[in-house]
Amino acid sequence: DGGITQSPKYLFRKEGQNVTLSCEQNLNHDAMYWYRQDPGQGLRLIYYSQIVNDFQKGDIAEGYSVSREKKESFPLTVTSAQKNPTAFYLCASSIPQDGTGELFFGEGSRLTVL
Amino acid sequence: KQEVTQIPAALSVPEGENLVLNCSFTDSAIYNLQWFRQDPGKGLTSLLLIQSSQREQTSGRLNASLDKSSGRSTLYIAASQPGDSATYLCAVRGGSYIPTFGRGTSLIVHP
Repeated sequence: DGGITQSPKYLFRKEGQNVTLSCEQNLNHDAMYWYRQDPGQGLRLIYYSQIVNDFQKGDIAEGYSVSREKKESFPLTVTSAQKNPTAFYLCASSIPQDGTGELFFGEGSRLTVL
Repeated sequence: KQEVTQIPAALSVPEGENLVLNCSFTDSAIYNLQWFRQDPGKGLTSLLLIQSSQREQTSGRLNASLDKSSGRSTLYIAASQPGDSATYLCAVRGGSYIPTFGRGTSLIVHP
């Protein structure tokens, strides 16, 4: 089955710790995205990557870091510099711009800071 | 910068009603518009995708329309059912090709 897999589904972090959220896709998509969702808010873009070995900051990149060493993988690290990391994190990928441009999402990872 | 607004923020209706959810955007130079459904604690599921050259798309009881000139899209749900209860989000993809999301409409359909 083709899709996007995020892990872990739930994660608890102590203050001062870095944590990494995994996102893997087998859809052969070039573009991948990380969004943060808070209650009552829309999705806010953290980072995006349109090609391997290249990524760009989104609207709320401070306190986060990413890498894109493989087409299938786009891990997100939430660093201790992120002051309010408790949120629901969503990874997405999309069909290229010369196709339909349809966006697909994983099931999300919920991070809670204790 | 593109801004996307969804109205209403919340909606509660009895089963069987026909519904209209609204999505408006400030920059009409878009590439496409996509409607999603989100169940509590889950990811987003794609419902309908409308390209900028299209006026509407249909899937089962769902119909989405697009009017680029006025910066609006509507999602029409016919004969609503309790299983339609979820949050509905629209995403607009503009020239930068980066999707911008509205805050969503939370729908409850009660039996």
